[in-house]
Amino acid sequence: DAMVIQNPRYQVTQFGKPVTLSCSQTLNHNVMYWYQQKSSQAPKLLFHYYDKDFNNEADTPDNFQSRRPNTSFCFLDIRSPGLGDAAMYLCATSGGSQRDTQYFGPGTRLTVL
Amino acid sequence: AQSVTQPDIHITVSEGASLELRCNYSYGATPYLFWYVQSPGQGLQLLLKYFSGDTLVQGIKGFEAEFKRSQSSFNLRKPSVHWSDAAEYFCAVGPELYNNDMRFGAGTRLTVKP
Repeated sequence: DAMVIQNPRYQVTQFGKPVTLSCSQTLNHNVMYWYQQKSSQAPKLLFHYYDKDFNNEADTPDNFQSRRPNTSFCFLDIRSPGLGDAAMYLCATSGGSQRDTQYFGPGTRLTVL
Repeated sequence: AQSVTQPDIHITVSEGASLELRCNYSYGATPYLFWYVQSPGQGLQLLLKYFSGDTLVQGIKGFEAEFKRSQSSFNLRKPSVHWSDAAEYFCAVGPELYNNDMRFGAGTRLTVKP
């Protein structure tokens, strides 16, 4: 089945220690998104890639970076995680005949100690 | 800018009872409207979407939603709730194209009583 995959599902890191979250997709969608979702809140868009074009939200902290080496993969790098960065990180894709709809992965729960 | 309001933070219904979750949107043009469901610790699953045409939209898991332009609403309904429907429900609105500017409501948490 075509899908959006996120690894790992649970990630624990230490305060200030860089961490990378991974997203891959078999949908061949050209747009990939990263959202941050804190407890009991709506997902908040951090940035997205339209093909190779990176689009950062105005209020996304510089601490968050992203890479998209190819169509299938997208990474979220948190350079120096703080306690406030503990959250669920959701990856989503859109494109092709379903370009108006975003399809989400299962998320990565990040804990910062 | 578009926005979404979900007035109910938490709703409790009995299993077998009917359900309606409210969603109001603010958008200058014809909106693209979505309902997603999120089970604890999981990602978001698309329930249904509305772009145009018939204002009553059928989705997965027995859900439906009705677009009412005059009320700027897109309420989600289910005639008979199952215990497995307990989850967080998000309404979202977005523009055309690839929806890089999709906005989510704050969510409604559904509890189902036996």
